[in-house]
Amino acid sequence: QQQVKQSPQSLIVQKGGIPIINCAYENTAFDYFPWYQQFPGKGPALLIAIRPDVSEKKEGRFTISFNKSAKQFSLHIMDSQPGDSATYFCAASLSSGSARQLTFGSGTQLTVLP
Amino acid sequence: DTGVSQDPRHKITKRGQNVTFRCDPISEHNRLYWYRQTLGQGPEFLTYFQNEAQLEKSRLLSDRFSAERPKGSFSTLEIQRTEQGDSAMYLCASSLERKAFFGQGTRLTVV
Repeated sequence: QQQVKQSPQSLIVQKGGIPIINCAYENTAFDYFPWYQQFPGKGPALLIAIRPDVSEKKEGRFTISFNKSAKQFSLHIMDSQPGDSATYFCAASLSSGSARQLTFGSGTQLTVLP
Repeated sequence: DTGVSQDPRHKITKRGQNVTFRCDPISEHNRLYWYRQTLGQGPEFLTYFQNEAQLEKSRLLSDRFSAERPKGSFSTLEIQRTEQGDSAMYLCASSLERKAFFGQGTRLTVV
């Protein structure tokens, strides 16, 4: 059972555009929602994360919007640059108990055209 | 470099051989995770250690897979009698609290 659904699978924007990637989760017990960026041949790198008691979080050009009632969250990349071209993964986890592993979405391949 | 270190970066093995991967976490991190990632997919959880105790194992972790974390420091993941379906990127991550940091991964190819 896929517990975190991510869309779109791929996204192409022009430089300066604002790509938006969406995720939906099923397990209401999840209470930690990070986004990771991955370049080919590299491990995922933590970008930004949010807890469900906050509706929005900004770090630099990256913003997470969180809708607890809809069980959805999204990543916005402001003023996107060609260097942002990568695969982005949303994830979710529990922050207490023994099962703290991340459950990942299937990824969005972002291409930012110069 | 004080990040998560994985060795080797690439491994090609023949079907039926055993392979072992090593992960050195960030030194103060007490939690260590192994994930597997196939092309075009997100990482899938395999197993989790808190210090030296293995607390969680995924159903993906068949009897051919075993992981250890002696003394709560580095960890090893061994795959016995490798199959072509084991070809994937094996990722290690460590964390102290919520934030998990990943290594560069070990790319396994079974021929």
